[in-house]
Amino acid sequence: AQTVTQSQPEMSVQEAETVTLSCTYDTSESDYYLFWYKQPPSRQMILVIRQEAYKQQNATENRFSVNFQKAAKSFSLKISDSQLGDAAMYFCAYGGATNKLIFGTGTLLAVQP
Amino acid sequence: DVKVTQSSRYLVKRTGEKVFLECVQDMDHENMFWYRQDPGLGLRLIYFSYDVKMKEKGDIPEGYSVSREKKERFSLILESASTNQTSMYLCASSPGLAGHQETQYFGPGTRLLVL
Repeated sequence: AQTVTQSQPEMSVQEAETVTLSCTYDTSESDYYLFWYKQPPSRQMILVIRQEAYKQQNATENRFSVNFQKAAKSFSLKISDSQLGDAAMYFCAYGGATNKLIFGTGTLLAVQP
Repeated sequence: DVKVTQSSRYLVKRTGEKVFLECVQDMDHENMFWYRQDPGLGLRLIYFSYDVKMKEKGDIPEGYSVSREKKERFSLILESASTNQTSMYLCASSPGLAGHQETQYFGPGTRLLVL
């Protein structure tokens, strides 16, 4: 069975600095997708970024980028120029052969002014 | 934009009550999901549905049932609420294109307290 591990329950970053959130996963599938979702306090969960495993190029969305290491089964999220609005719970998720997603336990990111 | 709505943001119920959580999506999505979110445990899948009147158990279906009579609506039912079902419940939907792992779109969540 597939698993997703987020080993950092909490992280903190200074405004305008860069922070990296870690995620590792385990799977025997060769074709899959990886996601980072953001859940702001008392607000809806939204997609930050997604990566197809067959693509070697790391996905980017403005200030958000990933470091996808397929052999190491690692999928970290880098947030550049952190803003106060980036404070949220971040979830890493794996999607394989089914339409189901498997989520990690989340990383709570605090942004210090 | 995809919109997923849930009937209540906060709900307080008594042990033993039958509880209905409603979820509606407006984008004609095939797939709908119910998750439970607890601190330190992330999101765990309770049930999902890939078509009207179709349902499949997720990882933690015990104590729950679901209903999908119309494509846009997916209900989660707690047959007899217990205190260990106090949690945040999230509904999600996705388009349902075959052979394609899709982004799921989430509702705002229902925080349920069972006393």
